[in-house]
Amino acid sequence: DAGITQSPRHKVTETGTPVTLRCHQTENHRYMYWYRQDPGHGLRLIHYSYGVKDTDKGEVSDGYSVSRSKTEDFLLTLESATSSQTSVYFCAISDLREVNEAFFGQGTRLTVV
Amino acid sequence: AQSVTQLGSHVSVSEGALVLLRCNYSSSVPPYLFWYVQYPNQGLQLLLKYTTGATLVKGINGFEAEFKKSETSFHLTKPSAHMSDAAEYFCAVSDRGNQGGKLIFGQGTELSVKP
Repeated sequence: DAGITQSPRHKVTETGTPVTLRCHQTENHRYMYWYRQDPGHGLRLIHYSYGVKDTDKGEVSDGYSVSRSKTEDFLLTLESATSSQTSVYFCAISDLREVNEAFFGQGTRLTVV
Repeated sequence: AQSVTQLGSHVSVSEGALVLLRCNYSSSVPPYLFWYVQYPNQGLQLLLKYTTGATLVKGINGFEAEFKKSETSFHLTKPSAHMSDAAEYFCAVSDRGNQGGKLIFGQGTELSVKP
């Protein structure tokens, strides 16, 4: 893996609680992304960042927020978790130096009960 | 809006047989095209990509794919399947010129390889 660490790797949480997932990279890549993976849907983009404090929404952003205060860290927050947010979450990074290639983390399996 | 369709959510082949995983895209402008592989409990790994130039693209592990603009297809092939090829495969597209990580994925195809 290209220096991407997701934490935690597994989490079980209760409906209505806030949850934060962390993505940490050591590649100094400019762009970072959060995807969710669900059976039958492939991966869908939640939010992405094109620099420190610069973020934008993806295809399925409702119920999620993100923050990027440092180049290396991209946080995904579920303000009030719902069962529909049970999924596997992947962080990805890319950079203009690695044209048109994204590198993915190992994923975080989140279960909301 | 762009979309990607992978025909067949499950494909099963015998070891040594041809692997063919189908991908069609919908886009007004030919996009960049990718195939990723995901082994169990792991992240995604890039197999190959088409951005420009030769339409037959060779990737890792003996896989290749051909971009056919007239058919809006980017099918993945491997002449001879190996047990280690068992995994889930995703076709993805992105707009030309973007930073590489804003991807639209297909639904995925799980490849099984029988001894």
